[in-house]
Amino acid sequence: DAKTTQPNSMESNEEEPVHLPCNHSTISGTDYIHWYRQLPSQGPEYVIHGLTSNVNNRMASLAIAEDRKSSTLILHRATLRDAAVYYCILRRSGGSNYKLTFGKGTLLTVNP
Amino acid sequence: GAVVSQHPSWVICKSGTSVKIECRSLDFQATTMFWYRQFPKQSLMLMATSNEGSKATYEQGVEKDKFLINHASLTLSTLTVTSAHPEDSSFYICSAPGTSGSLTDTQYFGPGTRLTVL
Repeated sequence: DAKTTQPNSMESNEEEPVHLPCNHSTISGTDYIHWYRQLPSQGPEYVIHGLTSNVNNRMASLAIAEDRKSSTLILHRATLRDAAVYYCILRRSGGSNYKLTFGKGTLLTVNP
Repeated sequence: GAVVSQHPSWVICKSGTSVKIECRSLDFQATTMFWYRQFPKQSLMLMATSNEGSKATYEQGVEKDKFLINHASLTLSTLTVTSAHPEDSSFYICSAPGTSGSLTDTQYFGPGTRLTVL
């Protein structure tokens, strides 16, 4: 599976926007970019996914670079409940395409 | 959205005993479920893929005789940690994919089970 690289940790202030970067320079044409987050002592939860175009949903926005070698998860107004580990994951077609391989993710701290 | 539950949410057992963890898809059917293990301050590590009606597929390095997986129905998968030892203490999480079979499927995760082996 193609690998993703994320910063180990980031910090934000409450009610400010947060931009979480992810590099995936070996991404292939059919790889979807998925983001999940894991709140403390809980299972992960889906945040957003995309292929080429930028995506918005009620939780966040996903900005995908034109060459698709990087993407950015945007939380428009961080709240204390957004403090979590955020995982950027590529899903490759073929074989076990249901599998999710988790990297180390980015630990987001939100300051009040 | 779809809900996946796990039971128990936490368990403490003595070394040498076996522990069973259940994973249920509450409002959808799941022919495939996944089991992950997560040690403190680390990421999730996929242990095995549970397949309804057939044998589980284990990731490299995971002992199939120690971590028994049974997927007896379309809504239930169980993970039994046999002869548990303190090094098996971990956070065990299951998940089930959406049912459309496409790459856009969301995976639904259970809340996790905290196992402590004394």
